[in-house]
Amino acid sequence: DVKVTQSSRYLVKRTGEKVFLECVQDMDHENMFWYRQDPGLGLRLIYFSYDVKMKEKGDIPEGYSVSREKKERFSLILESASTNQTSMYLCASRYRPASGANVLTFGAGSRLTVL
Amino acid sequence: GESVGLHLPTLSVQEGDNSIINCAYSNSASDYFIWYKQESGKGPQFIIDIRSNMDKRQGQRVTVLLNKTVKHLSLQIAATQPGDSAVYFCAEKVQNAGGTSYGKLTFGQGTILTVHP
Repeated sequence: DVKVTQSSRYLVKRTGEKVFLECVQDMDHENMFWYRQDPGLGLRLIYFSYDVKMKEKGDIPEGYSVSREKKERFSLILESASTNQTSMYLCASRYRPASGANVLTFGAGSRLTVL
Repeated sequence: GESVGLHLPTLSVQEGDNSIINCAYSNSASDYFIWYKQESGKGPQFIIDIRSNMDKRQGQRVTVLLNKTVKHLSLQIAATQPGDSAVYFCAEKVQNAGGTSYGKLTFGQGTILTVHP
């Protein structure tokens, strides 16, 4: 089974702090994603990466940046955390089985609280 | 706004009943849809998918129906069990202008399914 591991399950940070959320996948997948999940809004795409050092903005990139220096690792960075970035952050890796399905495998999530 | 949305935010059923979770989408060009289940404290897990050239697809106890005429998607769970209690999301594949997607998905708001013993 593909494993997507998010290093921090719970974080509490203060406004203005720099925050790093780390994600590692173990199946050599090219595409990785960061979503945030808020009640009533579902999952919204922040950034994604389609290869090492390659990235594209998703629907809500403001206030975030990403880093993909190695294929297995995709980091989400909040340069200056704000209270409206309090959320659940989900990392995903793209799995394409022989059937051609387009399946994202998700990590367990990182719940960030910004005070 | 959301291009994929759910009609009902919550659904309560008795164990053994069949459950139907509905989803509407707005992009008539969407060609791939997927359902995820998210249990408390976990990330979303893949349940079943369907391409736009199909009307129906069955898995183990689950069936997805696609009605392209009214842009409606539904997930049917047969003989619902307490372990099916979770939040269910529908999602559609996002296409870039150049026709590539890189696997991006747009998610609906989610439906909370509660199964009572």
